[in-house]
Amino acid sequence: GAVVSQHPSWVICKSGTSVKIECRSLDFQATTMFWYRQFPKQSLMLMATSNEGSKATYEQGVEKDKFLINHASLTLSTLTVTSAHPEDSSFYICSASEGRPNTEAFFGQGTRLTVV
Amino acid sequence: GEDVEQSLFLSVREGDSSVINCTYTDSSSTYLYWYKQEPGAGLQLLTYIFSNMDMKQDQRLTVLLNKKDKHLSLRIADTQTGDSAIYFCAEENYGQNFVFGPGTRLSVLP
Repeated sequence: GAVVSQHPSWVICKSGTSVKIECRSLDFQATTMFWYRQFPKQSLMLMATSNEGSKATYEQGVEKDKFLINHASLTLSTLTVTSAHPEDSSFYICSASEGRPNTEAFFGQGTRLTVV
Repeated sequence: GEDVEQSLFLSVREGDSSVINCTYTDSSSTYLYWYKQEPGAGLQLLTYIFSNMDMKQDQRLTVLLNKKDKHLSLRIADTQTGDSAIYFCAEENYGQNFVFGPGTRLSVLP
């Protein structure tokens, strides 16, 4: 199947700093990428949907100024957690889709963010 | 590393039951999840089961877990055309990591 690479797989940062997470589609053009966050023992929560070359669509309750999403190319989307706080510690996972109707999305490996 | 496998395609007739199967390798999984993805949309959590349970029923959905064989299944009773989607199995290990299967595309025929 298609490969989506997410980097880094884990990161520890200090409060107040920013962290960038990359999501790359390695063998297909990802016109649509989804960013999710998972809270312990809860389901994945969709944070935002981004289409290449346009602004991301954020789900209700997700601060777009805090979670900056850039999808500037067909193979790369980035999520930047700005001014990170301990409550931002979580597991973040991306998925990428070619964007055509009835095509599935493929998941990255996820990033475990710990803010200290 | 951990691995989750699913068959990629399943076709059923409207009104029949669908059974989507999943196998995983991590014996220390704590929760196992089923997600639904409709075309162009994000994931929707359908149901989940704690690893010390062997069955969970929620309306038309029945989840069976065979921990010895590391086998999880999702049964959808009275399958409807609106159930056509991709279904992902996922396992979680004490909140440390989250591994998805490749997804099973369910097609419901009239």
